[in-house]
Amino acid sequence: GAGVSQSPSNKVTEKGKDVELRCDPISGHTALYWYRQSLGQGLEFLIYFQGNSAPDKSGLPSDRFSAERTGGSVSTLTIQRTQQEDSAVYLCASSSLGSLDSPLHFGNGTRLTVT
Amino acid sequence: QKEVEQNSGPLSVPEGAIASLNCTYSDRGSQSFFWYRQYSGKSPELIMFIYSNGDKEDGRFTAQLNKASQYVSLLIRDSQPSDSATYLCAVTGTASKLTFGTGTRLQVTL
Repeated sequence: GAGVSQSPSNKVTEKGKDVELRCDPISGHTALYWYRQSLGQGLEFLIYFQGNSAPDKSGLPSDRFSAERTGGSVSTLTIQRTQQEDSAVYLCASSSLGSLDSPLHFGNGTRLTVT
Repeated sequence: QKEVEQNSGPLSVPEGAIASLNCTYSDRGSQSFFWYRQYSGKSPELIMFIYSNGDKEDGRFTAQLNKASQYVSLLIRDSQPSDSATYLCAVTGTASKLTFGTGTRLQVTL
């Protein structure tokens, strides 16, 4: 009964480098979200995967950000040519669909620091 | 207008008092409403969900939903210092996407 798993837990990278963040949702959960949270700020929606439907990418801040979800399970968030303003905690969450009361289960996040 | 709005606080209440946290939303088609608690440096954790008008109680917590006025609130009775955290309101809109407010920071003082 593992929860949502994210890796790495911490990532320090140099400005201009690409990074990949991984999320392994709870088994059987069809909905997967990526959020970003800067220090002292709220949750900023990035992208939402729901089953086999086209993902909702409306929250991605620029074309340097992309995400994919392979086989309806593991998801990878990629940030190309990182900038200092990309520094934040990136949170992944998953939920089961089919009922109104499907809460999100969050991972512990990846803290990204761009130097 | 933000989709989900909360007062950022901080809301300061004395130990033992009732804390009242409010949230308004813009999408009239919203169906499900959640309250999450987030301690500093930790991920959000679910406290309660509600999807019918009225009150829902769980221990010291009561969620209140008024769809006509488009607001949802969370009451915490007998507030404890351990309740000090940021409380996030989240709403599932017509596209089934969950949108969060920016959160209200609650401080329970001794």
